[in-house]
Amino acid sequence: SYVLTQPTSVSVAPGETAMISCGGNNIGTKPVHWYQQKAGQAPILVIYSDTDRPSGIPERFSGSNSEHMATLTISRVEAGDEADYYCQVWDNRRHQVVFGGGARLTVL
Amino acid sequence: EMQLVESGGGLTQPGRSLRLSCSASGFTFRDYAMYWVRQAPGKGLEWISGIDWSSNVIGYGDSVKGRFTVSRDNARNSLHLEMTGLRPDDTAFYYCAKDNRRGTMELQKGFDLWGQGTLVTVSS
Repeated sequence: SYVLTQPTSVSVAPGETAMISCGGNNIGTKPVHWYQQKAGQAPILVIYSDTDRPSGIPERFSGSNSEHMATLTISRVEAGDEADYYCQVWDNRRHQVVFGGGARLTVL
Repeated sequence: EMQLVESGGGLTQPGRSLRLSCSASGFTFRDYAMYWVRQAPGKGLEWISGIDWSSNVIGYGDSVKGRFTVSRDNARNSLHLEMTGLRPDDTAFYYCAKDNRRGTMELQKGFDLWGQGTLVTVSS
């Protein structure tokens, strides 16, 4: 089955830039989507189709995708960005949705 | 306002069955693929099932294939998950989610709407 690999945790100081990676075989050929999940809440979509932001998501959130790695970048990190972040793709060979294991962003 | 509300969770014993429902409002339900995702306490997101707008294309995660059945009623704007042969490792919050793009179940644009989840606990 298709596997997405994320770091378990990422730590960054307020105002700095956080980069959360999502590795997968030839992931650059698939649209990648990113979710933010704060404690006790349902996930929300923050980036879809590699780089697009849903309405209401700050411009500080951006995405990229190339070859074997997709990346979620959060600029000028705020305390309110502290959450778990998940990447997601469609495995078109097995017709299944795949999530990464999730990365916990800690704002120092 | 678009909204998804799950129901049907609760405490049940191993081997028993449970039926979850998801009521949709604020959008044209029949146009979109819908999904179930679960999250065990303290763990990550796990995709369980998906169903396209017409119910012609259905998929399941490996851990539930053969035990869970997804269905939808477009006339009633509702999504369902029939869970049989429940095991303790099925214990989780179960979320329904909406595709961000009309039509097929190919996840071109992610899930743009999630419910708040319903907790299923499987324990003797």
